Amino acid sequence: DAKTTQPTSMDCAEGRAANLPCNHSTISGNEYVYWYRQIHSQGPQYIIHGLKNNETNEMASLIITEDRKSSTLILPHATLRDTAVYYCIVRGHAGNNRKLIWGLGTSLAVNP
Amino acid sequence: DAGVIQSPRHEVTEMGQEVTLRCKPISGHNSLFWYRQTMMRGLELLIYFNNNVPIDDSGMPEDRFSAKMPNASFSTLKIQPSEPRDSAVYFCASSLVPTLPSGLTDTQYFGPGTRLTVL
Repeated sequence: DAKTTQPTSMDCAEGRAANLPCNHSTISGNEYVYWYRQIHSQGPQYIIHGLKNNETNEMASLIITEDRKSSTLILPHATLRDTAVYYCIVRGHAGNNRKLIWGLGTSLAVNP
Repeated sequence: DAGVIQSPRHEVTEMGQEVTLRCKPISGHNSLFWYRQTMMRGLELLIYFNNNVPIDDSGMPEDRFSAKMPNASFSTLKIQPSEPRDSAVYFCASSLVPTLPSGLTDTQYFGPGTRLTVL
């Protein structure tokens, strides 16, 4: 079973920031938070991951709370091409804990 | 980089026929994963390999499914005989796992998928 809880759907206006929340209250100390997205009819695309600290790359920012029980993916200036299902996944780095267990994700609609 | 390559992109076959899906991982990667995605069950891990060796095949639905990885640059997923309930999109992903224990994690990169329809 997925270890994360995400809203089923969200809307965002084009050009505005999209903030996608994720709850992972049972996360272990050595487990990472990963974000992927899947645009319709395409394979999942890696976005970003983090362990404790906030992370930023060219696609997004990841904010992890101090207790690590929740996180937020931020798309700073959403475009229509960001419309996709966004998956938050908690995983370890060794053995079977490396497996990605996929939930239902958040369906983000970016509107003009 | 070419990314993960899968073939065919679309496959339509009749019930009872053998189906073979192919995957070429990213060069240099040492882990390969096969997933299946349906509307009802979402994304499910079927099997994964480390250094060409199957590590966990607990997600393979039944004996009709088999996967091989004869070398580091090629893997196949075979369904024999195929059934209508096997209709799904099958994804292959690859990653580079650190060879020494480091606490670092690996990131899986996905191919475009094969859409399989079994009539």
